[in-house]
Amino acid sequence: SQQGEEDPQALSIQEGENATMNCSYKTSINNLQWYRQNSGRGLVHLILIRSNEREKHSGRLRVTLDTSKKSSSLLITASRAADTASYFCATDDRGNTGKLIFGQGTTLQVKP
Amino acid sequence: EAEVAQSPRYKITEKSQAVAFWCDPISGHATLYWYRQILGQGPELLVQFQDESVVDDSQLPKDRFSAERLKGVDSTLKIQPAELGDSAMYLCASSLDPDSGNTIYFGEGSWLTVV
Repeated sequence: SQQGEEDPQALSIQEGENATMNCSYKTSINNLQWYRQNSGRGLVHLILIRSNEREKHSGRLRVTLDTSKKSSSLLITASRAADTASYFCATDDRGNTGKLIFGQGTTLQVKP
Repeated sequence: EAEVAQSPRYKITEKSQAVAFWCDPISGHATLYWYRQILGQGPELLVQFQDESVVDDSQLPKDRFSAERLKGVDSTLKIQPAELGDSAMYLCASSLDPDSGNTIYFGEGSWLTVV
């Protein structure tokens, strides 16, 4: 079963614009992670945010976490054509904290 | 940089045939996962190993799927017999200690098409 839901399902922007993707989840978590997947490829880990953190940055990525709303957002600033990919949020499972539960993903297209 | 290795990258098989996928995790990673990803969806866990022991196989269709990690290093996922609905990407992942928040690293995946 899938815990998270990403919104929007698809996003198309111009190079240089910012892209924001949202993720909502259902149960309490220890941490939330964001992954990127290029078409037909494996998943690449982007960032992990712990439940006691509210914001985290990595390069052009900014992740926020609101545990009261059970939601997270991923912001990609100054997007590039190479950012075109699917982005997934993943949360741990209370019964098995080593297990990742993924959402359906947001497909981002960055037009040059 | 160390990677999770998977093979084959692509596999086409006829339904009712047997198929196997192999995974070599990052050296030293005790936790190994097999995920299945249907096109357009997020990955779903099939089985999780801690060393050679199964931690979670609640979503593994045990009538046709089996997984092993005999020496606690590399792992094999087998499907027998394959069904049309098994067409998906099978992703292997590994982690040093996920319960401590260590990153879970994924391989490039094995694409399966059942015809």
